[in-house]
Amino acid sequence: EVQLVESGGGLVQPGGSLRLSCAASGFTFSSYWMSWVRQAPGKGLEWVANIKQDGSEKYYVDSVKGRFTISRDNAKNSLYLQMNSLRAEDTAVYYCARDQGDWFDPWGQGTLVTVSS
Amino acid sequence: AIRMTQSPSSFSASTGDRVTITCRASQGISSYLAWYQQKPGKAPKLLIYAASTLQSGVPSRFSGSGSGTDFTLTISCLQSEDFATYYCQQYYSYPLTFGQGTKVEIK
Repeated sequence: EVQLVESGGGLVQPGGSLRLSCAASGFTFSSYWMSWVRQAPGKGLEWVANIKQDGSEKYYVDSVKGRFTISRDNAKNSLYLQMNSLRAEDTAVYYCARDQGDWFDPWGQGTLVTVSS
Repeated sequence: AIRMTQSPSSFSASTGDRVTITCRASQGISSYLAWYQQKPGKAPKLLIYAASTLQSGVPSRFSGSGSGTDFTLTISCLQSEDFATYYCQQYYSYPLTFGQGTKVEIK
């Protein structure tokens, strides 16, 4: 069974940092692009970033460029999102998702990041 | 960025109804469109990709159509488990963008 499990969310102060992880299982992780998608409380979905199979290409939404870094470790079947200079507007549930050609299937259960003082 | 606009934002329907949700792109995106279903507290689930290709395991009462700028998601006979929020997403160009969602509620 394909499974994605996020971790690392929590409460952080504005300007702080957090690193999210996503553990993948049930498929050949190194064969797929992977993405992070977020959802602010009560709001819609926003794609955040994605990364190529070997990590050589990465794309970001403008609002996180220069603050967030997506990475992966294929030996550990893991995806990461390093988030720096966090703002209140970054508060959201962050989902990792297998990128099937820039559509997403499946998704993890999500991890909540709250940026507040 | 390509803006995706869904209509309506919400509506009420009854079990057994045929329902249609519309998604419009701010510029042509060929058939690079996906649809997702999200239930409260759960992750989104892929329903359709390439505008009209049904994801494996998704009931055949779901269908998608359209190309260019105008797309529709149709549920032919609404079931109780279909009450949820639906999102379209374009993957024609970066940044990948979603519609604002359409919430289907019980009448």
